[in-house]
Amino acid sequence: KQEVTQIPAALSVPEGENLVLNCSFTDSAIYNLQWFRQDPGKGLTSLLLIQSSQREQTSGRLNASLDKSSGRSTLYIAASQPGDSATYLCAVKADSNYQLIWGAGTKLIIKP
Amino acid sequence: NAGVTQTPKFQVLKTGQSMTLQCAQDMNHNSMYWYRQDPGMGLRLIYYSASEGTTDKGEVPNGYNVSRLNKREFSLRLESAAPSQTSVYFCASSERQGLNEKLFFGSGTQLSVL
Repeated sequence: KQEVTQIPAALSVPEGENLVLNCSFTDSAIYNLQWFRQDPGKGLTSLLLIQSSQREQTSGRLNASLDKSSGRSTLYIAASQPGDSATYLCAVKADSNYQLIWGAGTKLIIKP
Repeated sequence: NAGVTQTPKFQVLKTGQSMTLQCAQDMNHNSMYWYRQDPGMGLRLIYYSASEGTTDKGEVPNGYNVSRLNKREFSLRLESAAPSQTSVYFCASSERQGLNEKLFFGSGTQLSVL
């Protein structure tokens, strides 16, 4: 059974730092992996989607990488800003049906 | 720019009461989903609907029913609420493009069952 883990559960860093969020999964047979952002009291917003054949995807200051063989993905945030404070979740599509398997998220706080 | 709209935002129920969570999307998406989010856990799929007129069980369907009323609306009903159903509920929609689909989420319903 596919399991997705995000460690640490919470992270606090000073503004301006580059940082990496981690996502690990137990079964390398995935179709894609997505990163989402969740703000308090709001829904989730899709940030990046990496297909199984890809190694990374970039959007602005965000870069997500995927290493299927090791069961890992990282979300790199460059030059962090207080507005980046949110919970970041990763999810894998483990088979051809509609189900995503979700990590519990990392709560990120960027201190001004 | 409404996207996915959920109502209500907050609800408190007593054990045994029933209620329906409403969800509507204005993006003409075929697929719609209901998830629940509990502290320290990832989102879990309750039910989904691949298209109007079809619904399927997800990972945790027990205690819930759904209705895909039309292409826009997908409702979630709790017939007899239990404290274990205290959670934050999210509705989402997507337009599937092969296996790569982008999900759009509502802002959630925080439900407490006493």
